Amino acid sequence: EAGVTQSPTHLIKTRGQQATLRCSPISGHTSVYWYQQALGLGLQFLLWYDEGEERNRGNFPPRFSGRQFPNYSSELNVNALELEDSALYLCASSWGDRGWSREQFFGPGTRLTVL
Amino acid sequence: GDSVTQMEGPVTLSEEAFLTINCTYTATGYPSLFWYVQYPGEGLQLLLKATKADDKGSNKGFEATYRKETTSFHLEKGSVQVSDSAVYFCALYTGNQFYFGTGTSLTVIP
Repeated sequence: EAGVTQSPTHLIKTRGQQATLRCSPISGHTSVYWYQQALGLGLQFLLWYDEGEERNRGNFPPRFSGRQFPNYSSELNVNALELEDSALYLCASSWGDRGWSREQFFGPGTRLTVL
Repeated sequence: GDSVTQMEGPVTLSEEAFLTINCTYTATGYPSLFWYVQYPGEGLQLLLKATKADDKGSNKGFEATYRKETTSFHLEKGSVQVSDSAVYFCALYTGNQFYFGTGTSLTVIP
């Protein structure tokens, strides 16, 4: 069974540009989560999509946005890039609502560097 | 608000030593608790979980018990191996959102 895949592996942008990151969940998973892993800050929750709808978002500005497609894959868009957006962006997927378990399976991440 | 506080690292142990990585949480209701591990060059993967009070999660010799009275979920292993060298993350799911700790780096030396 294929795991969670993310593309691209690395992305280099300059300040003010826009970045688009992509994630394909494990087959059968309907929930996709996005996290930012900046050095020394652990994982910061960004967004959660389930069945095509945004379920929750973390404490990030509106220039971080995304969507989930009918095949459950997802995009994360970051507009007006700032230097501090440089981080590893992780995507995870899980089955839909199955009570309190919600084991997440993580992708390898996209390393975004903003120059 | 809800949060997870994890023991700061890095932690360096000799092979066969006893490991404890502390994790405490703040949450209303009855969250689920997790430990994730990130081995060098690999993505995060679930190590163990507990979904209700007094549950004990276990995997690969690691254990953690969900203690509601002390709001803790400490990770333990009786005898660590070099292959356990990794970063360990404690996580909390409240039904609305996941919260992760900052991670604890463990290095096991032969």
